[in-house]
Amino acid sequence: GENVEQHPSTLSVQEGDSAVIKCTYSDSASNYFPWYKQELGKGPQLIIDIRSNVGEKKDQRIAVTLNKTAKHFSLHITETQPEDSAVYFCAATPGDAGNMLTFGGGTRLMVKP
Amino acid sequence: GAGVSQSPRYKVAKRGQDVALRCDPISGHVSLFWYQQALGQGPEFLTYFQNEAQLDKSGLPSDRFFAERPEGSVSTLKIQRTQQEDSAVYLCASSLEAGRSPLHFGNGTRLTVT
Repeated sequence: GENVEQHPSTLSVQEGDSAVIKCTYSDSASNYFPWYKQELGKGPQLIIDIRSNVGEKKDQRIAVTLNKTAKHFSLHITETQPEDSAVYFCAATPGDAGNMLTFGGGTRLMVKP
Repeated sequence: GAGVSQSPRYKVAKRGQDVALRCDPISGHVSLFWYQQALGQGPEFLTYFQNEAQLDKSGLPSDRFFAERPEGSVSTLKIQRTQQEDSAVYLCASSLEAGRSPLHFGNGTRLTVT
């Protein structure tokens, strides 16, 4: 089955700096890659996703890149703000698995004011 | 409803007790998923419904775990004879269509088995 590795496990940045979180996956059949933000005591919230037919997607301060050949994808957050502090999860799923996502282990992002 | 609703938010059970966790998906959402999230880890898939049909239960850890969605809306995850290793947050999620429409999560039920 699919295996998703996520790095780093914790990331501390100064407000205004950029943050990058990286994930690798094992199943070459995976073609949908969402990113979720989870705040304390809440469920994961989808923040951006990318499908394998594109290499990059951007939404305001958030961007995701995908390298299918290397089987890795990354989340980039620019101009970080204290409210970006949370745990971020990447996930992957093969084309025939609907939303049966395999998640990475998570990255705790701390943005210091 | 405004989002996926789960109840109770917290459940404490003595080892050996049975528990039932409820999920109200977003109205009209066809697909419903249950995930288990251990402390400090990412969610792990348990089971998946499309309307009332349970299409995949490969993630259920043991036969003590049972899920149902009899009318294609509300779902219940039941755990029989709870064990300490069942302690986790149980997340329910729904999506509008079968396939890969965005997955919306509830805030989960935190189960503690003592």
